[in-house]
Amino acid sequence: GENVEQHPSTLSVQEGDSAVIKCTYSDSASNYFPWYKQELGKGPQLIIDIRSNVGEKKDQRIAVTLNKTAKHFSLHITETQPEDSAVYFCAARPGNQFYFGTGTSLTVIP
Amino acid sequence: DTGVSQDPRHKITKRGQNVTFRCDPISEHNRLYWYRQTLGQGPEFLTYFQNEAQLEKSRLLSDRFSAERPKGSFSTLEIQRTEQGDSAMYLCASTPSGRLYEQYFGPGTRLTVT
Repeated sequence: GENVEQHPSTLSVQEGDSAVIKCTYSDSASNYFPWYKQELGKGPQLIIDIRSNVGEKKDQRIAVTLNKTAKHFSLHITETQPEDSAVYFCAARPGNQFYFGTGTSLTVIP
Repeated sequence: DTGVSQDPRHKITKRGQNVTFRCDPISEHNRLYWYRQTLGQGPEFLTYFQNEAQLEKSRLLSDRFSAERPKGSFSTLEIQRTEQGDSAMYLCASTPSGRLYEQYFGPGTRLTVT
């Protein structure tokens, strides 16, 4: 099955700085890569996604890049704000199942 | 609120008891997933339904776990003879037809087995 690895497990940044979270996957059949934000006591919320036929996607302060050859994808958050503090999960979808990374706890320090 | 809802939000049970959780997906979402999430980990796939048909189950899913979606709307997840290792957050997600890549998660049911 698919194996998704995510780094770092924790990340602290000053407000206004950028944050980068990286994931790798193993199954070349994976063709969809979503990112989720999970706040305490809530379910994961989809924040951005990318498909395998696209190398980069941006939505305001959030961007995702995909390198299919290297089998890795990254989440970039610019101009971080305290409300960006949460746990972020990457995922990969090779078929009908989603495989998640182990999460990155992001803290934005005011 | 028209999001995915789950009930109960919290459940404390004694080892050996049976528990049942309910998930109400977003209206007209035809695909429904169940996940288990333990502390410090990402969601782990358990099973999914396409309408009322259960199409896939994780190999990790013990035979003590059973899920149903009898009318293709809400779903239930039952755990029989609970064990302490079953303590986790159980998440439900639904997917709209035609956009099968998107998942919308519910708030989860936190199960504690004592």
